Amino acid sequence: DIQMTQSPSTLSASVGDRVTITCRASQSITGWLAWYQQKPGKAPKLLIYEASTLESGVPSRFGGSGSGTEFTLTISSLQPDDFATYYCQQYKMYPTFGPGTKVDLK
Amino acid sequence: EVQLVESGGGLVQPGRSLRLSCAASGFNFDDYGMHWVRQAPGKGLEWVSGISGNLGSVGYADSVKGRFTISRDHAKKSLFLQMNSLRPEDTAFYYCAKGGTGSLYFFDYWGQGTLVTVSS
Repeated sequence: DIQMTQSPSTLSASVGDRVTITCRASQSITGWLAWYQQKPGKAPKLLIYEASTLESGVPSRFGGSGSGTEFTLTISSLQPDDFATYYCQQYKMYPTFGPGTKVDLK
Repeated sequence: EVQLVESGGGLVQPGRSLRLSCAASGFNFDDYGMHWVRQAPGKGLEWVSGISGNLGSVGYADSVKGRFTISRDHAKKSLFLQMNSLRPEDTAFYYCAKGGTGSLYFFDYWGQGTLVTVSS
């Protein structure tokens, strides 16, 4: 199995902040990485796939980058609706998810 | 509009069985892989199983292999998960998810989830 890690586990930020979350894979996954946003009591929502392709309808303040084993999700200017937990997921092999990064209000 | 609606969750004793269903609409069901992803209360996400759109090839997480069986009914546009020999650690919300384009194993639409509780 490919193991996924994320840092930080919790991130405290203010509206308007630039936020960066890092995801690392235990082996190269080239660009086969997705990012999801999940709010309490709701299903996850796809934000980005193939490491940097924005899903239709997702605001352009979300961006993804990286390849191989290290990836980042960036929110250029944090909005009130963005406080949530974010998960990365590899799909080079059977899918595995990172443990999540909770973005809360500073 | 894509919709995925799960049903079949509930309270079940360890060792017993349960069958989950997912009704799909709003897309060409035959063309996409479909998956089950679970989340224990307060925990992270775990892919459980997936089935391709055309050939029906299947895959399972090691944690459920040999106990769970995924299937789909193209005529009814439905996805199923037969869960046997259930364990307390199978307790989770189970989400039905649509696979991305090109039969890739990322998930672009999710249902609202159904809760399975395994307890005596």
